[in-house]
Amino acid sequence: QKEVEQDPGPLSVPEGAIVSLNCTYSNSAFQYFMWYRQYSRKGPELLMYTYSSGNKEDGRFTAQVDKSSKYISLFIRDSQPSDSATYLCATSFSGGYNKLIFGAGTRLAVHP
Amino acid sequence: EPEVTQTPSHQVTQMGQEVILRCVPISNHLYFYWYRQILGQKVEFLVSFYNNEISEKSEIFDDQFSVERPDGSNFTLKIRSTKLEDSAMYFCASRLRQGNEQYFGPGTRLTVT
Repeated sequence: QKEVEQDPGPLSVPEGAIVSLNCTYSNSAFQYFMWYRQYSRKGPELLMYTYSSGNKEDGRFTAQVDKSSKYISLFIRDSQPSDSATYLCATSFSGGYNKLIFGAGTRLAVHP
Repeated sequence: EPEVTQTPSHQVTQMGQEVILRCVPISNHLYFYWYRQILGQKVEFLVSFYNNEISEKSEIFDDQFSVERPDGSNFTLKIRSTKLEDSAMYFCASRLRQGNEQYFGPGTRLTVT
């Protein structure tokens, strides 16, 4: 079983739509959950960071962690063409040196 | 806003040659990482570095790889004898002591011919 599973898409939505991106993970000991945005041939850019369960909101972005079902989500409201990118979920343990374990990434296209 | 920088942006080398990839982490960060991403694949952890020593490494990080923090600002990844399968984007990341918000550099695209 893969540690972090993420549907690679692609996901195509019209401008203004609400986008839902999801990952599942296998190890209940994971405590940190991140979402990164990656444009083509660029470095991952940290979007959202959550410790343990719950919701976190930042502007048009909301991250949710449901530890009971090992499910993490990123919602993008009022999506824009500039949101077109690959979205990577990542997780890690708490303590130690905290290497990140990434999902495969979901490619999102927002068309005008 | 502080950021992680990496040089070069693109490196082409012949199989068997040594390459050094360079990173300047964010200045007050204490933990440093190298990851790589083969085209079309996941970002994979290679190595973490703290307090001037390797703290964890993956199976990928074999004897051909080494890391160094030669001064107070640079963090390097050396591949001694490159193989075709080393062709990938290599990302450096850094973080503070608390939490695990890792900030990535723009990457070095390594092409081994």
